Amino acid sequence: DSGVTQTPKHLITATGQRVTLRCSPRSGDLSVYWYQQSLDQGLQFLIHYYNGEERAKGNILERFSAQQFPDLHSELNLSSLELGDSALYFCASSPRGTFIEEQYFGPGTRLTVT
Amino acid sequence: AQSVTQLGSHVSVSEGALVLLRCNYSSSVPPYLFWYVQYPNQGLQLLLKYTSAATLVKGINGFEAEFKKSETSFHLTKPSAHMSDAAEYFCAVRGSGSARQLTFGSGTQLTVLP
Repeated sequence: DSGVTQTPKHLITATGQRVTLRCSPRSGDLSVYWYQQSLDQGLQFLIHYYNGEERAKGNILERFSAQQFPDLHSELNLSSLELGDSALYFCASSPRGTFIEEQYFGPGTRLTVT
Repeated sequence: AQSVTQLGSHVSVSEGALVLLRCNYSSSVPPYLFWYVQYPNQGLQLLLKYTSAATLVKGINGFEAEFKKSETSFHLTKPSAHMSDAAEYFCAVRGSGSARQLTFGSGTQLTVLP
């Protein structure tokens, strides 16, 4: 158990809908990263938040957005869903102040768009 | 941009045999390198990390990796495979400066034969 929690574990929804994925980082970690894992694209970085502020964006679609709240949990919002958005979505957190700042991953949310 | 390449999307070894999973990196600066393991329907678990303190890095579950700058490699090894090692393994490089996200290789699926 990494200490990173994600809810829900599974999500099935229809095209055009909107969903929210939730992530709670490890206690004390200020950074939250979101990644998408799909068969055709592999593991791809989406977005990074540090202590409530957006720090970096990767291959995140305009239909997707995220935020990190004062209690440091983060939410990833996916809207106007398409079949191709079906994937595993992971969040990871990292400790501040360590030399290498390794990332610890949650169990993921499996999103299926039908 | 930093990147990693994993050679061999599938590797099969017999139980008790040496495990060797290959990873080559591309980086203009000293890289921060990681190996993660993903068991079926689970998140990514950190196996080991390269901190530049030593070229031979020991991780969990008997795995180790050797950083070779001359070969730009960070191959993962384990002297004796166990059935429980069957999983997908990902090599990753962390960005430098403010870009702390991980860039992953395409993964290597390890099968352990009885």
